[in-house]
Amino acid sequence: GENVEQHPSTLSVQEGDSAVIKCTYSDSASNYFPWYKQELGKGPQLIIDIRSNVGEKKDQRIAVTLNKTAKHFSLHITETQPEDSAVYFCAASKPGRRALTFGSGTRLQVQP
Amino acid sequence: DAGITQSPRHKVTETGTPVTLRCHQTENHRYMYWYRQDPGHGLRLIHYSYGVKDTDKGEVSDGYSVSRSKTEDFLLTLESATSSQTSVYFCAISPGTGSEAFFGQGTRLTVV
Repeated sequence: GENVEQHPSTLSVQEGDSAVIKCTYSDSASNYFPWYKQELGKGPQLIIDIRSNVGEKKDQRIAVTLNKTAKHFSLHITETQPEDSAVYFCAASKPGRRALTFGSGTRLQVQP
Repeated sequence: DAGITQSPRHKVTETGTPVTLRCHQTENHRYMYWYRQDPGHGLRLIHYSYGVKDTDKGEVSDGYSVSRSKTEDFLLTLESATSSQTSVYFCAISPGTGSEAFFGQGTRLTVV
């Protein structure tokens, strides 16, 4: 089945710096790649997603890039703020697969 | 938040006892999922449902069963709880494959 690897497991940045989280997937048929943010004591919430027919997508300070050839995708957060501190999960799914496969998560800490 | 309610939110139970967790949605989404979250493992799929009475196993289904008798309710049962099932359980819903999944607030289960 699908395998999604996520790096790094923890990331600490200074406020205002950029943060990058990377994921690789194993199944070349995967075509949907969402990113979730989980704050302490809450369920994960979608922050951005990308489909395989697009190479990059931006939403204000957040962007996701996809390299289908290399089978990896990345989350980029610019001008980080303390409220960006959370655990971030990448995920992947493919046509006909009814559930998302998640990476193991990255704990991002933004130092004021 | 999407209309998802998990109950109970916290539970402590003894080894060997059966436990049922409930997920209730008001969005009329077709797909419902149970994931467990453990440190270093991200979110792992236990079971999912693609319609009333239609369910299938995920990657960590041993020791768990599910039922969906109504569109809005998806029950997860631990037939005989073990300490290895101590975890945070999340229910998620989705309108279709390759679509955003919305998560509940989670249930923290401790098996002693």
